[in-house]
Amino acid sequence: GENVEQHPSTLSVQEGDSAVIKCTYSDSASNYFPWYKQELGKRPQLIIDIRSNVGEKKDQRIAVTLNKTAKHFSLHITETQPEDSAVYFCAAPVIATNKLIFGTGTLLAVQP
Amino acid sequence: DAGVIQSPRHEVTEMGQEVTLRCKPISGHNSLFWYRQTMMRGLELLIYFNNNVPIDDSGMPEDRFSAKMPNASFSTLKIQPSEPRDSAVYFCASSQLAVQETQYFGPGTRLLVL
Repeated sequence: GENVEQHPSTLSVQEGDSAVIKCTYSDSASNYFPWYKQELGKRPQLIIDIRSNVGEKKDQRIAVTLNKTAKHFSLHITETQPEDSAVYFCAAPVIATNKLIFGTGTLLAVQP
Repeated sequence: DAGVIQSPRHEVTEMGQEVTLRCKPISGHNSLFWYRQTMMRGLELLIYFNNNVPIDDSGMPEDRFSAKMPNASFSTLKIQPSEPRDSAVYFCASSQLAVQETQYFGPGTRLLVL
């Protein structure tokens, strides 16, 4: 079926610590995995994405890793800051239906 | 580019009234998506269009919901009649054609049905 599971649903870390959010997808043909950040009252915005031809991608303090065999991918945020506090969504496409399926979101709270 | 534009930003209406939400996608984008976001159900895809043609409306909850895209720069989502359980934030997003392209979200319309 069309399913993207995301864990944890909430995550609280101390400023400066790392945060990891994990997602599992069901469609083995999926080839594009974006991560969106949604601040309170704002729209979801893309922060990083990865395509299936690479296993890892970094952009400053954020990175995404992909394990196609296990069908899971993860978002890593290092040296967290209070402004990283937001809801993070992963997504994966279902190729047969050409739809992007979003995970249920992770509320990240960075404690100063 | 102004990004995806949605109107109104907030809407308060009474049960039974018709509600029309509007969206202008980013110029040059061929795909347009309507999402609904609630605490209980998260971010749900309602319908999407490719080149102004509705491709998948399986997410539209009931016949009370309808969407149109008369041209490449405008789309509407209509709820008639509205019910309190329709209260949510409705996002429009657009992208280049293909599911592997980045979706850019509008600011959303916060709908409250009393």
